[in-house]
Amino acid sequence: DTAVSQTPKYLVTQMGNDKSIKCEQNLGHDTMYWYKQDSKKFLKIMFSYNNKELIINETVPNRFSPKSPDKAHLNLHINSLELGDSAVYFCASSPTTPSEQASGEQYFGPGTRLTVT
Amino acid sequence: AQKVTQAQTEISVVEKEDVTLDCVYETRDTTYYLFWYKQPPSGELVFLIRRNSFDEQNEISGRYSWNFQKSTSSFNFTITASQVVDSAVYFCALSEGVSWGKLQFGAGTQVVVTP
Repeated sequence: DTAVSQTPKYLVTQMGNDKSIKCEQNLGHDTMYWYKQDSKKFLKIMFSYNNKELIINETVPNRFSPKSPDKAHLNLHINSLELGDSAVYFCASSPTTPSEQASGEQYFGPGTRLTVT
Repeated sequence: AQKVTQAQTEISVVEKEDVTLDCVYETRDTTYYLFWYKQPPSGELVFLIRRNSFDEQNEISGRYSWNFQKSTSSFNFTITASQVVDSAVYFCALSEGVSWGKLQFGAGTQVVVTP
């Protein structure tokens, strides 16, 4: 019973390609996130959705487009992949609500290691 | 600007030694939350603890303990009697009041426990 799952776990692709990473959570949470972990292990938020609505959109190239078909799913599509996109991408979910925005602990998926060659 | 500072890049200890990981944060919000996450070599991120800004009580969970001091903006983490399985990268993170839970992570501290 995986709480937050991501597919694929590994993704190797060439520069210029378009790829997607899928995320699903079965925790019943309303809020989901995408984080990027670079080669130095630094973690930075990219996007967040609450009930299918985009609520956080950090300074991310517009080649990255998140999509939330329902509150249990948050996918990440990347166009025209570049070498610098190589990283581990983590999806997370949280019970965060509008009235308690900061409080919910986030549960992370296993990560997707993207390698762009 | 970095809001969470973990000054220790790597700490190496021998099994059964205690290890303390430092975390200093910066915020102007009066309501905020602090977190610690563990990332073992397998790569997943494991939630360890959440502490809100109004609760300065220290917490102990097994061999883990946390010391939250608002006066010094610190939220330090101690592993007592370390074990090889504690080898991991540990991240401190801050979520500010009206941020939709946006976690701002420190750079992480690599803990290496040798037998």
